[in-house]
Amino acid sequence: DVKVTQSSRYLVKRTGEKVFLECVQDMDHENMFWYRQDPGLGLRLIYFSYDVKMKEKGDIPEGYSVSREKKERFSLILESASTNQTSMYLCASSFSSTLAKNIQYFGAGTRLSVL
Amino acid sequence: AQSVSQHNHHVILSEAASLELGCNYSYGGTVNLFWYVQYPGQHLQLLLKYFSGDPLVKGIKGFEAEFIKSKFSFNLRKPSVQWSDTAEYFCAVNATGANNLFFGTGTRLTVIP
Repeated sequence: DVKVTQSSRYLVKRTGEKVFLECVQDMDHENMFWYRQDPGLGLRLIYFSYDVKMKEKGDIPEGYSVSREKKERFSLILESASTNQTSMYLCASSFSSTLAKNIQYFGAGTRLSVL
Repeated sequence: AQSVSQHNHHVILSEAASLELGCNYSYGGTVNLFWYVQYPGQHLQLLLKYFSGDPLVKGIKGFEAEFIKSKFSFNLRKPSVQWSDTAEYFCAVNATGANNLFFGTGTRLTVIP
């Protein structure tokens, strides 16, 4: 079974804090993704990475950065958390589109509240 | 740019009723299509997928979807829903060869026992 593990299920942070969300996958997937999920807006892609040290902006990258130093780990960073970043954050991973048909596997999510 | 529309935001059905959730996408090229489901408190999981071949695809738990290329649609169906189908359903599309998916805004299904 594919496992995508997000380090925290719930986080509460204060405005202005630096926040790290961690994600680890155990399937040797090339691609990893960070989404945020908000009611009525579905899933919106923040960033994705198709290889170690490679990253691409998604639809809503503002206020976020990412780090992928190892293939299995993809971190989402909020440099200075703001209240409008209160959301559910989902991590996903998949094989490269050249190898497989791009099925994404999701973690359980991190519900972040910024006060 | 690709986009996905799910027209039903919240659907309420009684058990044993038939279900059809709409999904339309905009992209002119070859696509892969997916339905994901998120049960309350659980992570998103794949319900079914279409890559090529027979446009009628069957997934887990009795769900099926039909790809109609001329209508850019990939509607999800189930002939008889159960209370345990209560969940949020997301349609997603990716251009063949691309790495990322585009998701619809989701449809919340509530099944009343």
